[in-house]
Amino acid sequence: QSALTQPRSVSRSPGQSVTISCTGTSSDVGGYNYVSWYQQHPGKAPKLVIYDVTERPSGVPDRFSGSKSGNTASLTISGLQADDEADYYCCSYAGSYTLVFGGGTKLTVL
Amino acid sequence: QVQLVQSGAEVKKPGDSVKVSCKASGYTFTTYPMHWVRQAPGQRLEWMGWISAGSGDTICSQKFQDRLTITADTSANTAYMILSSLRSEDTAVYYCARIESTGLHFDYWGLGTLVTVSS
Repeated sequence: QSALTQPRSVSRSPGQSVTISCTGTSSDVGGYNYVSWYQQHPGKAPKLVIYDVTERPSGVPDRFSGSKSGNTASLTISGLQADDEADYYCCSYAGSYTLVFGGGTKLTVL
Repeated sequence: QVQLVQSGAEVKKPGDSVKVSCKASGYTFTTYPMHWVRQAPGQRLEWMGWISAGSGDTICSQKFQDRLTITADTSANTAYMILSSLRSEDTAVYYCARIESTGLHFDYWGLGTLVTVSS
């Protein structure tokens, strides 16, 4: 499996919004509604922020939202805060009980 | 509360094998699949494989198919990841992560185990 395609980095100012894309194929992102997003701060384990494309776990602010169109899923973070600065990874079911991650996006909040 | 406690850092030589453990607590171990994900320094997360702790069935990424073994000891509530024929490119932090019961997303992660492969 090839990694899903994400932009390597994005930067925004506090208070702004950002959308991070995750592009796969019809065999993964486009074929299933099992896309999840993880936030990872340096030296820490990943943390789930979105699952099943659009669902938000309890405790995750409603500033985080997810969507999907065709083979591309997206994570949108509105009202950016300093603590949102992290790496973000998408993950999709890829059939045959396998999963695939994206390449990761470094979000800088300057 | 759910906890996944992983074994400590390892230093191995090329060609060696490494065994990383992941002890689960706070839930019924056999009910949830356990996955293994690794992250080389400065690199992306990479899915490796998983085990159904209840049945012992495993699925591994084709990339690791011939070198990766995942097992579970239900009496100890512990999952194990064994990677053989290690090479320098296997230097990474290895995470165990639980899949939430109704979906295909990781709801709990271990803190990670650093495996360094160096001659």
